[in-house]
Amino acid sequence: GESVGLHLPTLSVQEGDNSIINCAYSNSASDYFIWYKQESGKGPQFIIDIRSNMDKRQGQRVTVLLNKTVKHLSLQIAATQPGDSAVYFCAENVPPNAGNNRKLIWGLGTSLAVNP
Amino acid sequence: DVKVTQSSRYLVKRTGEKVFLECVQDMDHENMFWYRQDPGLGLRLIYFSYDVKMKEKGDIPEGYSVSREKKERFSLILESASTNQTSMYLCASSLLRGQGREAFFGQGTRLTVV
Repeated sequence: GESVGLHLPTLSVQEGDNSIINCAYSNSASDYFIWYKQESGKGPQFIIDIRSNMDKRQGQRVTVLLNKTVKHLSLQIAATQPGDSAVYFCAENVPPNAGNNRKLIWGLGTSLAVNP
Repeated sequence: DVKVTQSSRYLVKRTGEKVFLECVQDMDHENMFWYRQDPGLGLRLIYFSYDVKMKEKGDIPEGYSVSREKKERFSLILESASTNQTSMYLCASSLLRGQGREAFFGQGTRLTVV
């Protein structure tokens, strides 16, 4: 089972409200960022991505904002629905450097709970 | 509907057993990946492959090996299972080269080693 005491950050919102999930990334050289959604009992599902030369990208009901100055990424979900309840992961893609391969670094996730 | 299928949802194996986790994708993707997911540690890449018979180590390859004999199939092998390999294992495939880029994941295999 799950380890006791290791709890994800949780965001609780009312159905119909907008949700904002935040992510701080670590490497200023990261050139690509991704958001994934993982529902209970399922594998992660790609939501949206953004390149480092952009500061905003919109999808269907979702918007990703990138602030490179403070190394911050956010996922905004409009009109949150019960089906949006899941764990959301951000990931940063670090380009190859000094013999190291390109590397994807995953965040630990934020749990979104949508209250009806 | 695109699909990545892992052969088992749940597995219980004994310490020292050789364990095979199978993954099949039907999207004709060249790129396939194996991750493990643990609470507090997130997703960690074990191995990946960009072509048939090609494999590259990820971040935590120790104790694992892989096989890619056909484009659609990527197998993860635990040579001698240990209790610290108890985890959720996730297979993914992608059209674009690069870890995680628009990757499609399987439903996961929860492996318990006793």
